[in-house]
Amino acid sequence: AQRVTQPEKLLSVFKGAPVELKCNYSYSGSPELFWYVQYSRQRLQLLLRHISRESIKGFTADLNKGETSFHLKKPFAQEEDSAMYYCALSNAGGTSYGKLTFGQGTILTVHP
Amino acid sequence: DTEVTQTPKHLVMGMTNKKSLKCEQHMGHRAMYWYKQKAKKPPELMFVYSYEKLSINESVPSRFSPECPNSSLLNLHLHALQPEDSALYLCASSQVPTGESYGYTFGSGTRLTVV
Repeated sequence: AQRVTQPEKLLSVFKGAPVELKCNYSYSGSPELFWYVQYSRQRLQLLLRHISRESIKGFTADLNKGETSFHLKKPFAQEEDSAMYYCALSNAGGTSYGKLTFGQGTILTVHP
Repeated sequence: DTEVTQTPKHLVMGMTNKKSLKCEQHMGHRAMYWYKQKAKKPPELMFVYSYEKLSINESVPSRFSPECPNSSLLNLHLHALQPEDSALYLCASSQVPTGESYGYTFGSGTRLTVV
């Protein structure tokens, strides 16, 4: 069964500091991984897809198949980055084709 | 139009009521989803519709009944709910079921309270 683990429930940093939100996954096939962000009172928004290797709002994430990780990083955190971040994995085959599984989420707080 | 629209935004219903949640998208996405989210918890998948056919039912109680009338619309019919069913119900869509092309787009949800 697929599983996504975000070991940190809460993460606090100061403005301008680097930030890394950890995500590990368990999946037998080739994963499709995403980071979603949920700002206060707003809808879930797609932040990054591993397949596109893009950088959004200064965030990057690299898929490490050897370590089964997809950590989210930003070199200089901003106060507006404060939000709930979810790592998610999409099942690309089998009977659960299309199922998106979320990690428990990490609440990031960036202090001024 | 790049949004998933959900109505109503808030719903209060009694345990004997019948109500429906509605979700609409006009992005040409062929997969649509219902998720349930409790406070400070991640969304939990309930149903997946792929090309207007139900492809995944995550053992959801029969008091929740999904319907996909066409490729743009997704409904969730509610009947005889329990107070523990109170939650934020999220609809999502994706171009293909794996979300491979552009990921999954989520609506802002319907906040349901069962009294």
